[in-house]
Amino acid sequence: GENVEQHPSTLSVQEGDSAVIKCTYSDSASNYFPWYKQELGKRPQLIIDIRSNVGEKKDQRIAVTLNKTAKHFSLHITETQPEDSAVYFCAATLTGFQKLVFGTGTRLLVSP
Amino acid sequence: GAGVSQSPRYKVAKRGQDVALRCDPISGHVSLFWYQQALGQGPEFLTYFQNEAQLDKSGLPSDRFFAERPEGSVSTLKIQRTQQEDSAVYLCASSSGTFTDTQYFGPGTRLTVL
Repeated sequence: GENVEQHPSTLSVQEGDSAVIKCTYSDSASNYFPWYKQELGKRPQLIIDIRSNVGEKKDQRIAVTLNKTAKHFSLHITETQPEDSAVYFCAATLTGFQKLVFGTGTRLLVSP
Repeated sequence: GAGVSQSPRYKVAKRGQDVALRCDPISGHVSLFWYQQALGQGPEFLTYFQNEAQLDKSGLPSDRFFAERPEGSVSTLKIQRTQQEDSAVYLCASSSGTFTDTQYFGPGTRLTVL
């Protein structure tokens, strides 16, 4: 089955810096890759997703890149703000199988 | 509109007790998922419903775990004879279609088994 690895487990940056979180997946058939942000005690919230027919997707300060050959995908946050502090999870799935397989999470801390 | 809701938000059970956790998905959403999130970990898949049909229960850790969605809307996750290792946050998610659509999560039920 699918296995998703995520790193780093923690990431500390200064406000205004960029942050990059990386994930690798094992099943080359996986074709949908969402990223969720989870604040302490809150529900996971989708922040961006990408499908395998696209190499990059941007939404304001957030971007995701996908390298299907290497089975890597990454989350890029630019101009970080303290409110970006949270745990970020990547996930992967295959169309038709529905269930998301999550990474272990990255705790991002943005210091003012 | 209203998002996914779950109740109770917190549940404390003594070891050996049965518990029932409720999920109200977004109205009209066909697909419903249950995940288990241990402290400091990512959510792990438990089971999946398409309308009232349970199409995948491969993630249920034991036969003490049972889920149902009899009318294709509200779902209940039942855990019988709870054990300490069942302590976790149980997340419900729903999506509108039957293919790979965005999954919207509920706030979760934090289960503590003493």
